[in-house]
Amino acid sequence: AQTVTQSQPEMSVQEAETVTLSCTYDTSESDYYLFWYKQPPSRQMILVIRQEAYKQQNATENRFSVNFQKAAKSFSLKISDSQLGDAAMYFCACGENYGGSQGNLIFGKGTKLSVKP
Amino acid sequence: SQTIHQWPATLVQPVGSPLSLECTVEGTSNPNLYWYRQAAGRGLQLLFYSVGIGQISSEVPQNLSASRPQDRQFILSSKKLLLSDSGFYLCAWTSGTGGDEKLFFGSGTQLSVL
Repeated sequence: AQTVTQSQPEMSVQEAETVTLSCTYDTSESDYYLFWYKQPPSRQMILVIRQEAYKQQNATENRFSVNFQKAAKSFSLKISDSQLGDAAMYFCACGENYGGSQGNLIFGKGTKLSVKP
Repeated sequence: SQTIHQWPATLVQPVGSPLSLECTVEGTSNPNLYWYRQAAGRGLQLLFYSVGIGQISSEVPQNLSASRPQDRQFILSSKKLLLSDSGFYLCAWTSGTGGDEKLFFGSGTQLSVL
């Protein structure tokens, strides 16, 4: 069974600074994906970034990047030049890639990020 | 472009009453559809998923059921709600074609069972 652990219930960052959110996971599958989702107060789940496990290169999306350490089963999210709009709950998730199950994700409990002006 | 619609946004129901939450996807064909629940202060838990009309897979035993009467419609139901059914329910979809799969969510329904 897959598990996803986010060890930081809350984090805080100063506007324009950089913050890293931690995530570790466990899976017995060799073909899987990892995701970071953002949930602002509106509660809409927004995909931030996605990483294929078979790719060694870390995914990046503008100010968001990941540090994917496959052997350590670690998948951290780095937010650069933090903005007030980045304040939200961030969820790490893991999903296996087979059949119709690409959307069967296991989520961590989330990290609440606050951004100070 | 693809869009996902979910309604209602908020629902307050008494214990023992029935439930029907509806989700529709536009702009795509034969999507994989999902129902997730988020309990207060927790992450998301997958409840059901469907890879086609009439095909439903349940991930956790519970008081709820799901149906997919049309290709782009996914319904979450209950005959008699329990207090423990309260939570934030999210419908989601993927294209189901494999490869560059991404899971996109609807705006959610906050269900309060009193």
